[in-house]
Amino acid sequence: QKEVEQDPGPLSVPEGAIVSLNCTYSNSAFQYFMWYRQYSRKGPELLMYTYSSGNKEDGRFTAQVDKSSKYISLFIRDSQPSDSATYLCAMSRPGGYQKVTFGTGTKLQVIP
Amino acid sequence: DTGVSQNPRHKITKRGQNVTFRCDPISEHNRLYWYRQTLGQGPEFLTYFQNEAQLEKSRLLSDRFSAERPKGSFSTLEIQRTEQGDSAMYLCASSFGLAGEEEQYFGPGTRLTVT
Repeated sequence: QKEVEQDPGPLSVPEGAIVSLNCTYSNSAFQYFMWYRQYSRKGPELLMYTYSSGNKEDGRFTAQVDKSSKYISLFIRDSQPSDSATYLCAMSRPGGYQKVTFGTGTKLQVIP
Repeated sequence: DTGVSQNPRHKITKRGQNVTFRCDPISEHNRLYWYRQTLGQGPEFLTYFQNEAQLEKSRLLSDRFSAERPKGSFSTLEIQRTEQGDSAMYLCASSFGLAGEEEQYFGPGTRLTVT
């Protein structure tokens, strides 16, 4: 079993829709949670970084962490065609350096 | 300095040849990571440097792989006697790590194709 599970999609939504992306994890040692966006043939771009349970909002993006259920989500409001990309959840343990463990990524397509 | 840079962006090589990639991190960042990403997968950790010291290597990093970070600035990743299974995107990330939260910023990657 992988430490981090993420539905690979693809997920196709109309422009303006609310998008929900999710990951589950098995290792309770993970304390830091991240969402990266990756366009085709580019490096991952950090979108959200959080270390506590609850919600964190940044513009149209909201990251949600439920440590009791080992479940994290990313919501995108008013989705735009430019949001079409692969979204990677990622997480790491506290202490020392952070070796990040990634999900497989969910490919999102926002249709105009 | 606008971010992490990697060179070359693409490399095509024949099986058995050696290749070397370079990563230039964000200038004030003391930590540098190498990851490998294959199609349809998330990046997988390969190795980590704090300043010039290489502090961890993944078991994914066989003896054919070597990484350096002289003087704690740029880093190189060398693959000797390349195999077709080495074909992947090699990503470099850097961060300014003291303790606790640490945001890693990725470069654009070097895409390696072994024929």
